[in-house]
Amino acid sequence: SQQGEEDPQALSIQEGENATMNCSYKTSINNLQWYRQNSGRGLVHLILIRSNEREKHSGRLRVTLDTSKKSSSLLITASRAADTASYFCATYPSGGSNYKLTFGKGTLLTVNP
Amino acid sequence: ETGVTQSPTHLIKTRGQQVTLRCSSQSGHNTVSWYQQALGQGPQFIFQYYREEENGRGNFPPRFSGLQFPNYSSELNVNALELDDSALYLCASSRVGTIRGYTFGSGTRLTVV
Repeated sequence: SQQGEEDPQALSIQEGENATMNCSYKTSINNLQWYRQNSGRGLVHLILIRSNEREKHSGRLRVTLDTSKKSSSLLITASRAADTASYFCATYPSGGSNYKLTFGKGTLLTVNP
Repeated sequence: ETGVTQSPTHLIKTRGQQVTLRCSSQSGHNTVSWYQQALGQGPQFIFQYYREEENGRGNFPPRFSGLQFPNYSSELNVNALELDDSALYLCASSRVGTIRGYTFGSGTRLTVV
């Protein structure tokens, strides 16, 4: 079963614009992670935000987390054509064995040159 | 630092056959997880191995089995292949005790005909 649900399912923007993707989840989490996937190949870890953090930055990436609303957002600033990919949020549940990373269905981002 | 490598890249099998997929973990990592990603979906957790034992399992039948070897490499075995097993199979490694994202391999594309 998928816990995270990304919104929108697809996003098309022009190079230089900002891209915002949202993720909602259902259960309590230990941390939330964002991954990028190019052309159906392996996933690349982008950023991890812990449940006690509200915002995190990494280069052109900004992630926010609202545990009260069980939601997160990923902002990519000054997008480039190379940012074209699918983006997934993934959650680790709190408590128990933190071994299962649960992914959403992803947002397909297209950055047009 | 080496990444996660998977073999083969692509594979075509006939329904009812058995398949073995292989994964070499990133240096310094001691857990390995396997995920199944159907077309247009997010990855689904199959199971994780730590210290050569299964450490957690998703909602997959027993015909999906695995092994982890002393060098932390791993195998995913699927018996009695079904058409719905056609998917991208992803291997991911991490290190117990660290809170960071997983390192994923590029995946094996399995097609069952």
